[in-house]
Amino acid sequence: KQEVTQIPAALSVPEGENLVLNCSFTDSAIYNLQWFRQDPGKGLTSLLLIQSSQREQTSGRLNASLDKSSGRSTLYIAASQPGDSATYLCAVGFRDSSYKLIFGSGTRLLVRP
Amino acid sequence: NAGVMQNPRHLVRRRGQEARLRCSPMKGHSHVYWYRQLPEEGLKFMVYLQKENIIDESGMPKERFSAEFPKEGPSILRIQQVVRGDSAAYFCASSKTGQGVMNTEAFFGQGTRLTVV
Repeated sequence: KQEVTQIPAALSVPEGENLVLNCSFTDSAIYNLQWFRQDPGKGLTSLLLIQSSQREQTSGRLNASLDKSSGRSTLYIAASQPGDSATYLCAVGFRDSSYKLIFGSGTRLLVRP
Repeated sequence: NAGVMQNPRHLVRRRGQEARLRCSPMKGHSHVYWYRQLPEEGLKFMVYLQKENIIDESGMPKERFSAEFPKEGPSILRIQQVVRGDSAAYFCASSKTGQGVMNTEAFFGQGTRLTVV
């Protein structure tokens, strides 16, 4: 069964810290991996898309890495701000489950002023 | 580009009524996906549609749920005879190409929060 796991489930850090969110998946045969942000009661905002052939993607203070062989991705947030507080979701497009994204249960991040 | 538009944002239905959720994909996108997020749970795939075709409905409950994406107009997720367990956030996503392409990026709408009373 293809699964996506995110650790930790919740994280609280003081403003300014660099932090890492983890995502693991059970099958290395993937098309891509996408990181999303979800604010309470809101929709999903796409942060970064990493294709299967890529090792990392960067956007501003965000950097996402992909290691297919170990089934892991990390989202690195530099110099965290209170506005970064949200739930971060990792979603994987597996090759033999094409058409659908398999989501992790998310990491709830709180950045304290 | 207004992004993926879903309406209504909130929907309250009594048990036994019908719920209709609408989704207009981003301009230029012909692939639509519906996901459901139950309270305190992750998003789960329901159905994948292209114009006038259901490609994969493996995540849809076998009864009471149906989806369509007509040639003209938005995609519709229809839930007949709603029950309390249908209360959830329903998200629509769209993409320019199908998920089977490596650089396919899915864009999500704001969701419709269905409450069954």
